[in-house]
Amino acid sequence: DQQVKQNSPSLSVQEGRISILNCDYTNSMFDYFLWYKKYPAEGPTFLISISSIKDKNEDGRFTVFLNKSAKHLSLHIVPSQPGDSAVYFCAASGWGGGTSYGKLTFGQGTILTVHP
Amino acid sequence: DAMVIQNPRYQVTQFGKPVTLSCSQTLNHNVMYWYQQKSSQAPKLLFHYYDKDFNNEADTPDNFQSRRPNTSFCFLDIRSPGLGDAAMYLCATVKEWGTEQETQYFGPGTRLLVL
Repeated sequence: DQQVKQNSPSLSVQEGRISILNCDYTNSMFDYFLWYKKYPAEGPTFLISISSIKDKNEDGRFTVFLNKSAKHLSLHIVPSQPGDSAVYFCAASGWGGGTSYGKLTFGQGTILTVHP
Repeated sequence: DAMVIQNPRYQVTQFGKPVTLSCSQTLNHNVMYWYQQKSSQAPKLLFHYYDKDFNNEADTPDNFQSRRPNTSFCFLDIRSPGLGDAAMYLCATVKEWGTEQETQYFGPGTRLLVL
């Protein structure tokens, strides 16, 4: 049972335009959501996060939106740059059954390609 | 500044020959995790340490062991690597559990090749 899903395996965007990466989750116990960026042969790099008490968090060119009722989050990158080309993973954590150890549940990732 | 360091970055071992991967952190975080990532799949959690308390994921094979001799270091031991254990191994740390502090910071990973 995949609790975090990124339904788009890949996304191609022109430089300067907006990139929108989507993520859906099924577990209502998740209360903290993160986006990571990963280049080949490197570990994931933390980008931005949002807790369930918020619906938007912004950091420079990156904005994450959370729609709890729809169990959906999205990452907006504006403007997109060629250096943003990478695999983007969304991840979720939360208290389940009264215990939590910060276990991250990852989506399968979306390959973003930004063309010059 | 390097915060989560993994050594080596690339490791080649022979089928059945024990191998140890190393992770160190300069963040003084309480929690350290080991993940396995194959191809373009999502990272899979193997186990974690909260301070000295070890927690194994239910589906982690017995072939995988871990040690945390102090706050800064954590090791992943693969007792008898099989071909299926070839993967990227990621170490991550968390300062503390609880919203806003549960951001996990990953090391660069060690790519393991089993011949």
